Amino acid sequence: QVQLQQSGPGLVKPSQTLSLTCAISGDSVSGKSAAWNWFRQSPSRGLEWLGRTYYSSRWFTDYAVSVKGRITINPDTSRNQFSLEVNSVTPADTAVYYCARWGWELQTFDYWGQGTQVIVSS
Amino acid sequence: DFVVTQSPDSLAVSLGERATINCKSSLSLLYNSNNKNYLAWYQQKPGQPPKLLIHWASVRASGVPDRFSGSGSGTDFTLTISSLQAEDVAVYYCQQYYSTAYTFGQGTKLEIK
Repeated sequence: QVQLQQSGPGLVKPSQTLSLTCAISGDSVSGKSAAWNWFRQSPSRGLEWLGRTYYSSRWFTDYAVSVKGRITINPDTSRNQFSLEVNSVTPADTAVYYCARWGWELQTFDYWGQGTQVIVSS
Repeated sequence: DFVVTQSPDSLAVSLGERATINCKSSLSLLYNSNNKNYLAWYQQKPGQPPKLLIHWASVRASGVPDRFSGSGSGTDFTLTISSLQAEDVAVYYCQQYYSTAYTFGQGTKLEIK
């Protein structure tokens, strides 16, 4: 059974960097079975896919056009986890952030983290 | 971009009655080479992440009750709950994965009448 455990601060000041981590158990961040994704959800934007990372002979990372240039998703093989950084945050980045596994076989988001409410405020 | 639009935004149905939610994509989600529709349905309850219900437009995920069914092809899809139970109160989302710029509908809030 795959489990994803999110961690990170719930309050970030404007212009600073939002950093979240998603620890994986029951699978491997560098395994062939899945890609590792970040989402956020807010009343104004709904459910928004932010990006993903996965390993297939080498590491690949894809980002949503809406946030490209502001976010970084990195795998950490030593801790079997992956991270999200959002730079230069504004109140518009206030949202619940989720990590999720995309299983290549069934092509679904089959496992999700518990969610982290992040508020951008001074 | 694939824009996915749901209707209605909210729905109230009596217990034991049928609930129907629609989802329309701006572009076809049918991949001709494998004849599969790249559309999924999720259920989200307050304080929880989305839970997968249906993928490939009509395939129930493991453990999902058979009162949930999905249908449709191309640009028009439907999620049907055949006999509404109290535990089905939630927000339902459709999601396209034809493009890896995954997009979700705006959600349909389902309540008990």
